[in-house]
Amino acid sequence: DTGVSQNPRHKITKRGQNVTFRCDPISEHNRLYWYRQTLGQGPEFLTYFQNEAQLEKSRLLSDRFSAERPKGSFSTLEIQRTEQGDSAMYLCASSLERHWYNEQFFGPGTRLTVL
Amino acid sequence: AQKVTQAQTEISVVEKEDVTLDCVYETRDTTYYLFWYKQPPSGELVFLIRRNSFDEQNEISGRYSWNFQKSTSSFNFTITASQVVDSAVYFCALSGSSASKIIFGSGTRLSIRP
Repeated sequence: DTGVSQNPRHKITKRGQNVTFRCDPISEHNRLYWYRQTLGQGPEFLTYFQNEAQLEKSRLLSDRFSAERPKGSFSTLEIQRTEQGDSAMYLCASSLERHWYNEQFFGPGTRLTVL
Repeated sequence: AQKVTQAQTEISVVEKEDVTLDCVYETRDTTYYLFWYKQPPSGELVFLIRRNSFDEQNEISGRYSWNFQKSTSSFNFTITASQVVDSAVYFCALSGSSASKIIFGSGTRLSIRP
């Protein structure tokens, strides 16, 4: 399978714990995006990387959130001191930069439940 | 600011009926891209179509068709002869000229009854 993969697919944690999600983009895609989708809403942009550089961060990304893409390949999204409001589906997407448009391909998501 | 509005929260129709999902967008960019995605119960976002702001031609793909009208800032999606498998949440979305992020609407939940 050559699509975007995300692990784990589901995560249940207790409030106050730290969690980390991983995203593996499509091979050779240089852009990687994180979105969050809460129940009944559309996905909301969190951040994106071009290679290793984090180029944009949404105001939704509080200090408890940190994303990395150390070698320009896979990315991790860590949430520290989780809160019940963090419960959501976390989606990753990747794209290959072209001169006119970057088609974003989405992964299956990681569903986080904070108890 | 960019915004996408899908006023229809839920639609339910009987199989074989035609159904149109509405989408209205706001942007100050002169170059932008519009999308429709499908999200079935499995949760994965399935890309359906992308249009750029300079191409107002309507598009048809099988039972699906899209009507892009810049004058009314709308990008509506019609399913002809709906099928039960079309049941899903459908998102309209917008991306600016930099194409760094996609702004999604809140979605329309479509239920097709047999």
